[in-house]
Amino acid sequence: GAVVSQHPSWVICKSGTSVKIECRSLDFQATTMFWYRQFPKQSLMLMATSNEGSKATYEQGVEKDKFLINHASLTLSTLTVTSAHPEDSSFYICSVARQGIRYEQYFGPGTRLTVT
Amino acid sequence: GENVEQHPSTLSVQEGDSAVIKCTYSDSASNYFPWYKQELGKGPQLIIDIRSNVGEKKDQRIAVTLNKTAKHFSLHITETQPEDSAVYFCAAANNAGNMLTFGGGTRLMVKP
Repeated sequence: GAVVSQHPSWVICKSGTSVKIECRSLDFQATTMFWYRQFPKQSLMLMATSNEGSKATYEQGVEKDKFLINHASLTLSTLTVTSAHPEDSSFYICSVARQGIRYEQYFGPGTRLTVT
Repeated sequence: GENVEQHPSTLSVQEGDSAVIKCTYSDSASNYFPWYKQELGKGPQLIIDIRSNVGEKKDQRIAVTLNKTAKHFSLHITETQPEDSAVYFCAAANNAGNMLTFGGGTRLMVKP
């Protein structure tokens, strides 16, 4: 397996502000990290694939200017929700994958975002 | 693209009974099928996975079966315990796409 951390575990912010969520791979170098969003009682929805040293690949319907992803090192990816709105309130989960085996993903504990 | 359907959406069993969760997939190229357990407020944890060259895999009280012809796979939990209560997700992926497609999830409740 793999050990993945996320920070913060929960955050409350006001509408219009930005919030940054960190995802760290603690025990191996992750060339690829994924960001998911999960609404209550629903499945995981892939938002974007984060590749170290290059631009993230966003899924259809996900605004890249609103959800900024930076994967600056092999152990850290960040997701910044810009100009947050109440409808952005959700559970954000990252996952990491080893090079060449992107379908074997190990998930972080998630970050609960509440926008007031 | 791949489509994964999962049933049932909720499952309630008595402690000690068995629980079975079923998933079907659409893409015959899929060859990796993991199962995740998600407890309330936490991220999903990989509990077992199976590849297409294997028909069944077991790990203590948990087993997964795969029928490639019918394109379905199932999770079996025997001797259920209250701590098995959680939401379980199946998923499918293939080497080419390298992406996971998740099922809708099953909320399992084990009554003591």
